[in-house]
Amino acid sequence: AQTVTQSQPEMSVQEAETVTLSCTYDTSESDYYLFWYKQPPSRQMILVIRQEAYKQQNATENRFSVNFQKAAKSFSLKISDSQLGDAAMYFCAYRNPYEKLTFGTGTRLTIIP
Amino acid sequence: DTAVSQTPKYLVTQMGNDKSIKCEQNLGHDTMYWYKQDSKKFLKIMFSYNNKELIINETVPNRFSPKSPDKAHLNLHINSLELGDSAVYFCASSQAARQAYGYTFGSGTRLTVV
Repeated sequence: AQTVTQSQPEMSVQEAETVTLSCTYDTSESDYYLFWYKQPPSRQMILVIRQEAYKQQNATENRFSVNFQKAAKSFSLKISDSQLGDAAMYFCAYRNPYEKLTFGTGTRLTIIP
Repeated sequence: DTAVSQTPKYLVTQMGNDKSIKCEQNLGHDTMYWYKQDSKKFLKIMFSYNNKELIINETVPNRFSPKSPDKAHLNLHINSLELGDSAVYFCASSQAARQAYGYTFGSGTRLTVV
């Protein structure tokens, strides 16, 4: 079974600074998808960014970008110019084609004003 | 217009009761899911339906029974509720042909069993 590991239970960053959240995964597949979801205190699960394994180019969505290292099975999330609204739990997730989405244990991100 | 809606948002009930959580999606997706988020925030899949057919049934007590009357609805019925059932339950949906787009989640139902 695939596993997703987030080794940082908690992280904090000063407002306007940059922070990187780590994620590693274990798989023997070559075709898969990776995601970062954000869960603010409202509880809603919000898709932040996604990456298809066959694409070498790292995905970027405004202030959010990923560093996808396929050989190392690593998928970190970088948040630039951190804002107070970025405070949330962040979940890394993995999916084989036509299989379930498997989540990591999450990283709680605190933004320091 | 909410894409994936769950009702109720909060549910407080006594041990031994039977309760249901409803989920509806208006995205035209063909696959729906139930996830359980425990007190440590860990998200684990419970069930998945594709076009009303059960395709994923993880190790979940028989007290939990999903029902999908059509591909836009997936309900979760729980019998004989136990204290350990207290959690947040998320409904989600996706389109099988669009694997790369992930799931769209509802806002969750916080179930508290007392």
